[in-house]
Amino acid sequence: DTEVTQTPKHLVMGMTNKKSLKCEQHMGHRAMYWYKQKAKKPPELMFVYSYEKLSINESVPSRFSPECPNSSLLNLHLHALQPEDSALYLCASSPRQGAMNTEAFFGQGTRLTVV
Amino acid sequence: GENVEQHPSTLSVQEGDSAVIKCTYSDSASNYFPWYKQELGKRPQLIIDIRSNVGEKKDQRIAVTLNKTAKHFSLHITETQPEDSAVYFCAASIEYGQNFVFGPGTRLSVLP
Repeated sequence: DTEVTQTPKHLVMGMTNKKSLKCEQHMGHRAMYWYKQKAKKPPELMFVYSYEKLSINESVPSRFSPECPNSSLLNLHLHALQPEDSALYLCASSPRQGAMNTEAFFGQGTRLTVV
Repeated sequence: GENVEQHPSTLSVQEGDSAVIKCTYSDSASNYFPWYKQELGKRPQLIIDIRSNVGEKKDQRIAVTLNKTAKHFSLHITETQPEDSAVYFCAASIEYGQNFVFGPGTRLSVLP
């Protein structure tokens, strides 16, 4: 299984809503990542989890809250988002942190629209 | 920190022709250089990568070259096909680094 699975594929939420994005992989990878991608731009790193611990937070606003319940799952909790947060949210995994010099697998992404 | 530049931003070629995309990086410590292809509405997918101890790598119609002295690397696609149309991102990573840095992307259009 070389898949990173993200749910939901599409999400529309109001600025007062609370929602969560989910990511799952069963490749035994110990590093998992959240990226944000705006149209016609490269992915931008948000968070890195290494061995289920948050190791990088790229100065992301607190309205985005990551969680890694176990080595296979990664969540991104959303609260009080702004319209400018609308984007494609990509999850990725790699065998270990510092091993982005080995193949990293991306999920299909969640297309988020904040209204 | 690392900065990756990529050119051109858009590229149109006729089917069957070759396409070349070039990237430069700033951090001489970078030693891993993947290329990702992203079709519209889909995930980035790794198509080829190269490490600093290698100057060139080929996989069928795709090749990547690396010049560490000049700090640039290039993607070459031969005999292009319409299904090669996508956005291509180069990236650079430092061994034991935290992340890799993406270039801004090249939109490749292969015209039938």
